[in-house]
Amino acid sequence: AQSVTQLDSQVPVFEEAPVELRCNYSSSVSVYLFWYVQYPNQGLQLLLKYLSGSTLVESINGFEAEFNKSQTSFHLRKPSVHISDTAEYFCAVTRSGSARQLTFGSGTQLTVLP
Amino acid sequence: DTEVTQTPKHLVMGMTNKKSLKCEQHMGHRAMYWYKQKAKKPPELMFVYSYEKLSINESVPSRFSPECPNSSLLNLHLHALQPEDSALYLCASSQDWARSSYNEQFFGPGTRLTVL
Repeated sequence: AQSVTQLDSQVPVFEEAPVELRCNYSSSVSVYLFWYVQYPNQGLQLLLKYLSGSTLVESINGFEAEFNKSQTSFHLRKPSVHISDTAEYFCAVTRSGSARQLTFGSGTQLTVLP
Repeated sequence: DTEVTQTPKHLVMGMTNKKSLKCEQHMGHRAMYWYKQKAKKPPELMFVYSYEKLSINESVPSRFSPECPNSSLLNLHLHALQPEDSALYLCASSQDWARSSYNEQFFGPGTRLTVL
């Protein structure tokens, strides 16, 4: 079975500052890793994913995440945040070779302050 | 069309009511999911349908009854709910549950349910 830990439940940061949201996973098999974002009163949107290949993955809105197998981490970073990035961010994992259950972390509320 | 739609957006019901949540997608996806999300918590998987057949039921109480009348529609019938069932109910879909190694799940905006 897989598990995901997001250590920071809330991350406040000032606008234009860098941010890192931490995600660690536990699995005895190969995994796929994801970051989802949930804006207030909305569903989840896939932000970025790691399936294979390059360990650094990027989204179209400036976020990036790096898969680190030795540290079992998939931290999300952005060099300069905007007010509009305020949202809940969920890290998720699924066993590779399987389209089955996504296991979500507990979420991190990112609040960007003016 | 890359959208999953859910109706209604909000629903308030009493414990003796019967109501239904509806989910629709026109992306040709053959897997559809129901999740329950409590405030400030991650989504919890309830049911998975693959090719209109129930594949997974995560030990959900029988007061929740899913139905997949065709490949584009997913319903969740509600009866005799409890106040603790109040939550955001999310629907998702993906291309192929059984045969592909990875299928991105597309989520709808959810139905916010309040049980009085």
